[in-house]
Amino acid sequence: KAGVTQTPRYLIKTRGQQVTLSCSPISGHRSVSWYQQTPGQGLQFLFEYFSETQRNKGNFPGRFSGRQFSNSRSEMNVSTLELGDSALYLCASSLEQPSGELFFGEGSRLTVL
Amino acid sequence: AQSVTQLDSQVPVFEEAPVELRCNYSSSVSVYLFWYVQYPNQGLQLLLKYLSGSTLVESINGFEAEFNKSQTSFHLRKPSVHISDTAEYFCAVNTGLGGGADGLTFGKGTHLIIQP
Repeated sequence: KAGVTQTPRYLIKTRGQQVTLSCSPISGHRSVSWYQQTPGQGLQFLFEYFSETQRNKGNFPGRFSGRQFSNSRSEMNVSTLELGDSALYLCASSLEQPSGELFFGEGSRLTVL
Repeated sequence: AQSVTQLDSQVPVFEEAPVELRCNYSSSVSVYLFWYVQYPNQGLQLLLKYLSGSTLVESINGFEAEFNKSQTSFHLRKPSVHISDTAEYFCAVNTGLGGGADGLTFGKGTHLIIQP
């Protein structure tokens, strides 16, 4: 069974640009969550999608958005990039079960210059 | 709401020595507990989990953790570490009330540094 796949793995952007990151969950997983990881703030929850609907959202500005498609694949978008958006963006998928066990991709490392 | 405290941000240990990474949580209801490991430039991998049953859980690579309800702890231990265990370790807790992944709370992580 293939794991969670994130693309691209690495990317460099400049301030003011926008970026779109993609995530393909494990087959059969309908929940996809996104996290931002930085050395200073650690792991921060961005949002979660389930059946194409955003079910929960973390405390991030509106420049951060996402969506989920009917095949459970998800994208997140960051507009008007700032230097502070440089981070590892992690996607995780899960089955709909109370434990909330997450399966993570390897991440997309974004550098904003 | 639940919270997770990893008391040590960094733990240096000599190779083949034992190690304990501490994790305490706060929750007013029953919880599910996890330890994730992150190797450099990679995502998080599930190391072990406590869902119910035996309070001592083990991983395939020699780590174990014990759920202590009275002390609200889920410390991670290994009797003899290897250089390859160098990584960031995250403790996480979920009450299960939120359904799916939206109720999962992570600690800030502990960087395990193995010295030769």
